[in-house]
This record gives sequence, C-alpha cells and structure tokens, in this order.
Amino acid sequence: DVKVTQSSRYLVKRTGEKVFLECVQDMDHENMFWYRQDPGLGLRLIYFSYDVKMKEKGDIPEGYSVSREKKERFSLILESASTNQTSMYLCASRRTAMNTEAFFGQGTRLTVV
Amino acid sequence: GENVEQHPSTLSVQEGDSAVIKCTYSDSASNYFPWYKQELGKRPQLIIDIRSNVGEKKDQRIAVTLNKTAKHFSLHITETQPEDSAVYFCAEGYTGGFKTIFGAGTRLFVKA
Repeated sequence: DVKVTQSSRYLVKRTGEKVFLECVQDMDHENMFWYRQDPGLGLRLIYFSYDVKMKEKGDIPEGYSVSREKKERFSLILESASTNQTSMYLCASRRTAMNTEAFFGQGTRLTVV
Repeated sequence: GENVEQHPSTLSVQEGDSAVIKCTYSDSASNYFPWYKQELGKRPQLIIDIRSNVGEKKDQRIAVTLNKTAKHFSLHITETQPEDSAVYFCAEGYTGGFKTIFGAGTRLFVKA
C-alpha cells in the first residue's frame, strides 16, 4: 500500500508567519505534487516536482515555494502567510508520468488568522 | 488554457437510482481521464480511469464513457448505495505529462 503522509492534519498560524507543510511518501515515487482544495474550485495545483531538487510551478504558485531535497519528502512553504491562504492542502505522489494514478495524503487544513 | 468543467456541482439521488456526472475538457492533447472519489474527511482516491483509445470502461457498478470528438466524458454509477455519497472529481491529463487538471467536483448524496 502506498502511503503519503502529511505532517499535520490541522494548523493555525498568524498572518505574516512562515509556514512549512511537510509530505512524505514511502513508495519511491518520482513525482510529487501540492494542491489546494477550496469549495467550488476543486483541486488546484500549486507546485510539482518530477525529481529530487527539481520543481515546477503549477497554476497558482504565488505566495508559495517548495523544497525537495530527498526523493521521499516534498515541502510546501508559505513565505508570509495571509488569510487568503486559509485552505485544505493536499499532497500527492505518483510513480512516474507514465503511471498516472496519483496517491494523496490525508490533507492539512490550514487556518491563517 | 487547460480547463475541465464538471456538472452538476451537487446531485441528490434515491438509493438504487443511477447517477451521472459529466465533464468537458479543452485540451485536445489529453488522453487520460481519471475519476477520484473523496469521502467526507478522507483523501481523494482513484476509482476508475479511461484512456483515449477506448470509448467506455466498466468496473462493477461504475462506468466511464468518453467522447473525444466532443471532448466530454461521464461517470455513471448504477444501483447507488449510501456509501456512494462523496465528492467526485473528474480530471484530465496525458500520459508522459506531469500536470493533471481537476474539475471542481460533484457532491453526490444518496438518500436511503
């Protein structure tokens, strides 16, 4: 069974704080993704990584950055949290681009106050 | 740009009835169309997918149809049960590509 684990289920942070969301997968997957999920908007891609130290912007990268120093770990960073970043954040991993099923983490509900 | 429109946003059916969710995509290069189910408080999970070389695929009570000419695909659930209640996301992508574009989701309620 593929396991994708996000470090926190719930987080409350203050405006202006730097926030780290961590994601770890245990199946040696090459591709990893960060999405945010908002009602009526579905899953929107923030950033993805197709290999260690490689990263690409998704559809809504503004206000976020990512880090992938090891294959199993993909971190999402909110440089200066703002209230409009209050959302559910989902990490996903996928073996390769050819193997197209994505496996999701359980999600982190972030509230910025 | 790439876009997937999903309808309806909410669907309520009686147990035992069928449910149909429709999606329309814009990128003619797309050749992979997965459907994910997200139960309340849980992570999205793949339930079925279809590639552009087939027009229909079935797995027990669920089926997906694809019309490449019209650029739309649909999820069909027959004999619905209360445990089918969830949010369903359609998506599009292409094998060899990295991005998967998701629809906005359909919240399905199955009334017992």
